[in-house]
Amino acid sequence: DTEVTQTPKHLVMGMTNKKSLKCEQHMGHRAMYWYKQKAKKPPELMFVYSYEKLSINESVPSRFSPECPNSSLLNLHLHALQPEDSALYLCASSQRGGGLGNEQFFGPGTRLTVL
Amino acid sequence: AQKVTQAQTEISVVEKEDVTLDCVYETRDTTYYLFWYKQPPSGELVFLIRRNSFDEQNEISGRYSWNFQKSTSSFNFTITASQVVDSAVYFCALSVTGNQFYFGTGTSLTVIP
Repeated sequence: DTEVTQTPKHLVMGMTNKKSLKCEQHMGHRAMYWYKQKAKKPPELMFVYSYEKLSINESVPSRFSPECPNSSLLNLHLHALQPEDSALYLCASSQRGGGLGNEQFFGPGTRLTVL
Repeated sequence: AQKVTQAQTEISVVEKEDVTLDCVYETRDTTYYLFWYKQPPSGELVFLIRRNSFDEQNEISGRYSWNFQKSTSSFNFTITASQVVDSAVYFCALSVTGNQFYFGTGTSLTVIP
């Protein structure tokens, strides 16, 4: 089963809300990723978890807080977002925790709108 | 520094035409991987192919083919007999370390019926 699932599909939130995005994979992958994608742009890497430890944080503002409860789950907690944070948030996973050349499998994304 | 250039921002073809999407990469690493992904309007990036720097063999998968040339640092993607379902944004990506991908800016392909 080569599938990464993400919930919710769409999310509208105010600047004072707290919400969470969820990602799940059951492929036994040991690396999981959060990307942010604006319209007509490539995905931008935000965070990487390798063997459930945060290995890459691409200088993302603290209003985004990742969490990896176990090897199958990845959350992104959102708080006090700005309208410019509106984007498609993509989760991905890959087979090994840090190996070069692993293809990443992406979920369908969460379309976030911040009002 | 690593960089991927997809010079074609948008391409339109009529159904059944062949189309080639260009990808040029820059890296000083001798070991690297190249990827192509398809992103249909639904949003999910779909993995198409991976190629490592030591394997310059071209690859064909159905209507899709890839031409990897280290001499020109290019990894081009050709769709033969295009179909409407091929309409999507296509990204080329480079990986030189661990988990980090360097994506090109993408090429938006529209196949007109």
